[in-house]
Amino acid sequence: SQKIEQNSEALNIQEGKTATLTCNYTNYSPAYLQWYRQDPGRGPVFLLLIRENEKEKRKERLKVTFDTTLKQSLFHITASQPADSATYLCALDMGNTPLVFGKGTRLSVIA
Amino acid sequence: DVKVTQSSRYLVKRTGEKVFLECVQDMDHENMFWYRQDPGLGLRLIYFSYDVKMKEKGDIPEGYSVSREKKERFSLILESASTNQTSMYLCASSFGMGQTNSPLHFGNGTRLTVT
Repeated sequence: SQKIEQNSEALNIQEGKTATLTCNYTNYSPAYLQWYRQDPGRGPVFLLLIRENEKEKRKERLKVTFDTTLKQSLFHITASQPADSATYLCALDMGNTPLVFGKGTRLSVIA
Repeated sequence: DVKVTQSSRYLVKRTGEKVFLECVQDMDHENMFWYRQDPGLGLRLIYFSYDVKMKEKGDIPEGYSVSREKKERFSLILESASTNQTSMYLCASSFGMGQTNSPLHFGNGTRLTVT
C-alpha cells in the first residue's frame, strides 16, 4: 500500500529564513498532491494542490514542488514568520480513492 | 466560505455507550468524510460518502458506522464506545461526487474521551 513520510516530526527555524518541508512517498505516483496547515485544536486548512505534470506551484510566500522521479514533494515557506508556526500535512490523491495523509511536520518559527 | 460544523468540540462518554458525532456542511458538497487523528498516527480515514445514502469503509471502520440521510449531514456512530476510541474526530467535505482531487474542508473536530 502507499506510504507517505514527512521528513521530520518537528522543524525549528529562525524568523526570516526559508522553511523547507519534505513529503516522500513509495509505490505509485499520485495524480495530485495537496498540502494543508493545521493549528492546535483546529481542523486542517487546504493550502495548495499540485498535479503530477506540474513541477512547481506558488502562492504568495508558499512554493510546492513535485518530483515524480524522486517520489518527493517539497513545501517551502519563504521569509518565514512566527505566525507560520503550525503543523503542515501533505496528502496524496491517487485518483480513485480518498486522500491519504502524512503524519505532518510541526514547524516552529522562532523570532 | 465553506463551513463544516461539528456539533460538539468536547465530549466525554462512558464505555459501552452509543455515541453520535454530527457533522453539517453548508456548501452543497457531495463528498463527506470522517477521520480520526491520534498523536504519532496522523489522520486515518474511518468512513466516507460520495452521495446521500451512500457510504464506503475507509481504513479503520471497525467499531464505527455512519449515516447520511441528507446531503449536508454526515453522522458518525460509535455503536459501543471503548477507551481505544478516545481521539480527535474530524469531519470533512469536498465538491464533485467521487472527485478525489477536490480540496477537503474540515470542521474543527470533536475531542472524544471514553472513560
